[in-house]
Amino acid sequence: DVKVTQSSRYLVKRTGEKVFLECVQDMDHENMFWYRQDPGLGLRLIYFSYDVKMKEKGDIPEGYSVSREKKERFSLILESASTNQTSMYLCASRNRGPRGTYEQYFGPGTRLTVT
Amino acid sequence: DQQVKQNSPSLSVQEGRISILNCDYTNSMFDYFLWYKKYPAEGPTFLISISSIKDKNEDGRFTVFLNKSAKHLSLHIVPSQPGDSAVYFCAARGFGNEKLTFGTGTRLTIIP
Repeated sequence: DVKVTQSSRYLVKRTGEKVFLECVQDMDHENMFWYRQDPGLGLRLIYFSYDVKMKEKGDIPEGYSVSREKKERFSLILESASTNQTSMYLCASRNRGPRGTYEQYFGPGTRLTVT
Repeated sequence: DQQVKQNSPSLSVQEGRISILNCDYTNSMFDYFLWYKKYPAEGPTFLISISSIKDKNEDGRFTVFLNKSAKHLSLHIVPSQPGDSAVYFCAARGFGNEKLTFGTGTRLTIIP
């Protein structure tokens, strides 16, 4: 059973703080993704990584950075949190390449509130 | 530019009836489509998928239909059950792409 875990379910931070969201997967997946979910906007891709130390910008990378030092761990960093980054953050992973259903496996999400 | 659209933000269906969720896309390079289900405070879980070379895929109560000429797919749930109440997202993969593009979601409520 694939397991994707996220370090916190709920987080409250102040404007200007540096915020780290951690994600760990246990299935040796090459690809890892960070999304945010907002009402009426669906899931929007922030960044993804297809290997250790590799990263690519998604659709909304502004204000975020990422780190992937180990295959199983993918971190999302908010360098200086702002109120418009209040959202549900979702991490996902899958194997690379054309196989299976292209299903991405999601973690439970982190509800971040920036005050 | 929203390449994957779910035009109905919400849908209510009587228990036991058919639920039909719709999704439209604009990118003709999409070659694989997925449906996810999401409960509040949980991550999305995969439901069913379809390749662009097919027009129908069935898994138990869930059937996905793909109309490539209309760039439209739909998810049918028969019969609908209270546990089906959730937000449903459709997603699409571009050929050779590792990413998925998600729609905005439809909140399905099953009325007992």
